[in-house]
Amino acid sequence: DTEVTQTPKHLVMGMTNKKSLKCEQHMGHRAMYWYKQKAKKPPELMFVYSYEKLSINESVPSRFSPECPNSSLLNLHLHALQPEDSALYLCASSQPHRGRSDTEAFFGQGTRLTVV
Amino acid sequence: AQRVTQPEKLLSVFKGAPVELKCNYSYSGSPELFWYVQYSRQRLQLLLRHISRESIKGFTADLNKGETSFHLKKPFAQEEDSAMYYCALSGRGSTLGRLYFGRGTQLTVWP
Repeated sequence: DTEVTQTPKHLVMGMTNKKSLKCEQHMGHRAMYWYKQKAKKPPELMFVYSYEKLSINESVPSRFSPECPNSSLLNLHLHALQPEDSALYLCASSQPHRGRSDTEAFFGQGTRLTVV
Repeated sequence: AQRVTQPEKLLSVFKGAPVELKCNYSYSGSPELFWYVQYSRQRLQLLLRHISRESIKGFTADLNKGETSFHLKKPFAQEEDSAMYYCALSGRGSTLGRLYFGRGTQLTVWP
């Protein structure tokens, strides 16, 4: 299984709602990522988890709250979002190798989020 | 700071013609360079990485440290090559595989 699965595929939420995005992989990867991709723009890194610990937060607003309950799952909890947060949210995973940074990242198909 | 520049937002060629997608980078250390591809309605996936020095689907890319470039080339483009191509950089020594992407080049191969 070389897939990263994201649910839901589409999500529409109001600015007062609380919702969660889910990501799952069964490749044994111990690094997982959230990227945000606005229309016609490249993916931008939001968070990195390494061995289930948050290792990078790219100054993301606190209305986005990541969680890594185990090595296969990654969640992104959303609360009080703004319309400008509407985007495609991509999850990715990779296997960290000490001293190497050439490992392949496997991406999910993304959750298309619309905030109304 | 790291930066990946893809000067062409759109690129169109006819089937059978050579194609070159340009990528330049800036990075203070020794980077790892990648090309990722996104076909219509499919997920982003790795096409090739410089360290492998391999040819995938007829595409090759050579890292030129002097020119800080990692251009993607194919001698004879096919219609199925039409996709969005992203050049990406990861810093050597970072084991987390975090990627910095260029803005992408949308390649269209006409029949």
